Amino acid sequence: GENVEQHPSTLSVQEGDSAVIKCTYSDSASNYFPWYKQELGKRPQLIIDIRSNVGEKKDQRIAVTLNKTAKHFSLHITETQPEDSAVYFCAAKIGSYIPTFGRGTSLIVHP
Amino acid sequence: NAGVTQTPKFRVLKTGQSMTLLCAQDMNHEYMYWYRQDPGMGLRLIHYSVGEGTTAKGEVPDGYNVSRLKKQNFLLGLESAAPSQTSVYFCASSYISGTRLYNEQFFGPGTRLTVL
Repeated sequence: GENVEQHPSTLSVQEGDSAVIKCTYSDSASNYFPWYKQELGKRPQLIIDIRSNVGEKKDQRIAVTLNKTAKHFSLHITETQPEDSAVYFCAAKIGSYIPTFGRGTSLIVHP
Repeated sequence: NAGVTQTPKFRVLKTGQSMTLLCAQDMNHEYMYWYRQDPGMGLRLIHYSVGEGTTAKGEVPDGYNVSRLKKQNFLLGLESAAPSQTSVYFCASSYISGTRLYNEQFFGPGTRLTVL
């Protein structure tokens, strides 16, 4: 089955800096890669996703890049703010099958 | 719409006790899932369902049972709770629509379960 590795497990940055979280996947058939954000005590919520036919997608301060050859994708957050502090999960999915999640990255943004 | 709701929000059990967690969604979603979340372990899939009357095992199914008698409800049962089942449990749902395969999962608010 699919295996998703996520790094780092913890990321600490100063407000205004950029943050990058990386994920690798094992199954080249994966074609959908969502990112979820989970604030403390809250439920995970989708923040951005990318399909395998696209190399990059942006939404204001967040962007996701996908390298199908290397089988890795990354979440980029620019101009980080304290409210970006949360746990971020990546996932990989093949068609209608069940997504496989990474273990999560705890992002801490220091004011 | 309430989205995905879970009952109860918190529960404390003694070892050996049983309980049922209820997940309900009002979005007419086909797929429903149960996850457990433990520190450093991410979201691990327990069981899932691709439609009313169907269930399937996920990554960590042992010690849990599920039922999907109605499309909008997905029940997670613990027959004999163990301390290792102390965790936060999340239910989620997603839809399948024609060729739309890239489907967001909508999560419930979670149930915090402690087994003593």
